[in-house]
Amino acid sequence: KAGVTQTPRYLIKTRGQQVTLSCSPISGHRSVSWYQQTPGQGLQFLFEYFSETQRNKGNFPGRFSGRQFSNSRSEMNVSTLELGDSALYLCASSLGTSQETQYFGPGTRLLVL
Amino acid sequence: GENVEQHPSTLSVQEGDSAVIKCTYSDSASNYFPWYKQELGKGPQLIIDIRSNVGEKKDQRIAVTLNKTAKHFSLHITETQPEDSAVYFCAASPGSNYQLIWGAGTKLIIKP
Repeated sequence: KAGVTQTPRYLIKTRGQQVTLSCSPISGHRSVSWYQQTPGQGLQFLFEYFSETQRNKGNFPGRFSGRQFSNSRSEMNVSTLELGDSALYLCASSLGTSQETQYFGPGTRLLVL
Repeated sequence: GENVEQHPSTLSVQEGDSAVIKCTYSDSASNYFPWYKQELGKGPQLIIDIRSNVGEKKDQRIAVTLNKTAKHFSLHITETQPEDSAVYFCAASPGSNYQLIWGAGTKLIIKP
């Protein structure tokens, strides 16, 4: 079956703009998690959605937000972009819990100029 | 809350030798410990996991051991090959409805 897809794959924005990233989970998966990855910084957890509800949230400012639709597809939005937001944004889907295999997408690479 | 520490941050081993990566966790309620491998340009992929009712699990050249008393778990890769070069992440889960808590990652370099 199809894996996790993320769009767009690459994005260039300028400071102050906003951006929306999209994630389509594996069919049947109800949990979607988002991560920010910068060089040498590992995986920083942003938030997790399950059945259209935010179930867990990391320590990121309110400029980072997300949502999940009834078909489990998820979007994350970053408003008022800062240079430090340049990163690889990964989403992962699972059947429903953190104790099941997380399937990661290829990521969206965001560059803020 | 849970905290996971991972060591070393970089590990360089000769091809054919063994590699060991160690993680410690703080929350004794954690009961699920996966390991993910991230190759260049790709998202992480699960390679092995272990639950707290098991002390060791093997899958071909890969094994994970868990010491609940000491609250640490380790990834062992034997007979390393060039394709093992990647970044490896450990994680811990304090419960099924909680997010995974991730280690900082280990860059494994296999020298020919």
